[in-house]
Amino acid sequence: GAVVSQHPSRVICKSGTSVKIECRSLDFQATTMFWYRQFPKQSLMLMATSNEGSKATYEQGVEKDKFLINHASLTLSTLTVTSAHPEDSSFYICSAISPSGQETQYFGPGTRLLVL
Amino acid sequence: GESVGLHLPTLSVQEGDNSIINCAYSNSASDYFIWYKQESGKGPQFIIDIRSNMDKRQGQRVTVLLNKTVKHLSLQIAATQPGDSAVYFCAENFVYGNQFYFGTGTSLTVIP
Repeated sequence: GAVVSQHPSRVICKSGTSVKIECRSLDFQATTMFWYRQFPKQSLMLMATSNEGSKATYEQGVEKDKFLINHASLTLSTLTVTSAHPEDSSFYICSAISPSGQETQYFGPGTRLLVL
Repeated sequence: GESVGLHLPTLSVQEGDNSIINCAYSNSASDYFIWYKQESGKGPQFIIDIRSNMDKRQGQRVTVLLNKTVKHLSLQIAATQPGDSAVYFCAENFVYGNQFYFGTGTSLTVIP
């Protein structure tokens, strides 16, 4: 089946620093990936759609200068949280559309970000 | 079409009983729906999907029902097992885009 990985799985950083999270499709090519954010005991909130070779599409209310997305290849999308603050602490999850012809999304294992 | 970020509803069932988890979706233009299972600290796992031209689809121990009239989706789990304990989300896909929007989710606890 389609496998999506994320790195790192956990990261702790100081306030004001930037953190990069990688999302990789391991056994398929993904022209489109998605980034979600999830707070404890809440649902997943779509942040942006990452398109290979073009600019990401951000959901309303998501600051594109704060959450930089780069989809440089068909197997890698990165999310950089710039000048992170404690309120950015969250669980960040990426997904990629399966190449099977259906629109099913396969999710990565998530990255737990803690900003001190 | 955004998910609602409120506290999760909970459902407790006895092992071996059937579970029914409900979801109300927001957009009548949605044409594809997926149920996901999420265990603590992990990403969501695909369970079953259904398109808007169907009202029922069955998988292994799971059945999804779709009622487009009232924009309601349900997931039925037969003979619930302790390993089924997790948070379950429905996600809807709009016909004119490939983004998915998640429902609130339900936390299922199976009592041995």
